[in-house]
Amino acid sequence: GDSVTQMEGPVTLSEEAFLTINCTYTATGYPSLFWYVQYPGEGLQLLLKATKADDKGSNKGFEATYRKETTSFHLEKGSVQVSDSAVYFCAQYSGGGADGLTFGKGTHLIIQP
Amino acid sequence: NAGVTQTPKFQVLKTGQSMTLQCAQDMNHNSMYWYRQDPGMGLRLIYYSASEGTTDKGEVPNGYNVSRLNKREFSLRLESAAPSQTSVYFCASSPRGDNEQFFGPGTRLTVL
Repeated sequence: GDSVTQMEGPVTLSEEAFLTINCTYTATGYPSLFWYVQYPGEGLQLLLKATKADDKGSNKGFEATYRKETTSFHLEKGSVQVSDSAVYFCAQYSGGGADGLTFGKGTHLIIQP
Repeated sequence: NAGVTQTPKFQVLKTGQSMTLQCAQDMNHNSMYWYRQDPGMGLRLIYYSASEGTTDKGEVPNGYNVSRLNKREFSLRLESAAPSQTSVYFCASSPRGDNEQFFGPGTRLTVL
């Protein structure tokens, strides 16, 4: 079945470091892809999305490019801040109805000053 | 706009007790969802509702029931709580199934 795999962490970086969180998916067809962020004690918020191959989603300095050839949607940011500390979830929607998103297990990101 | 609201925020139950988690959205969305979040497991879909009057099972429906009361409200019921249902429960809504989902703040449930 459809699945999403992402590095689980925790990932610990220093402030201003470059961030990459890997995400790969398996799906039949061409899913829509999402990155969500969850701050402590809160629900998930959409960070960015891409709906077709080669699309780049971007928001708040984060970027991810939909790579069909490698079935990947890696999240990147050039210079992280302490306020970026959170759990990041990669997700896909594969179609077939309103049956929800398939999520990865989440990556806990810790940014140290 | 309040977005997606959930009540209660926290709940402690004893094994065998029942309770209903409430969810409401004010965005006029058609689709609504219930997920549970467990450490190391990500989010798993319990039930969803594509539109008012319809509900369908997700990945982990056992031990739960749902009601789509109207377009705004989608409740999740535990008839006889078990310790394995200790989790954080999130409700979400979406304009349609293939679109971005908007999440509520979650309900942290502990079953003793």
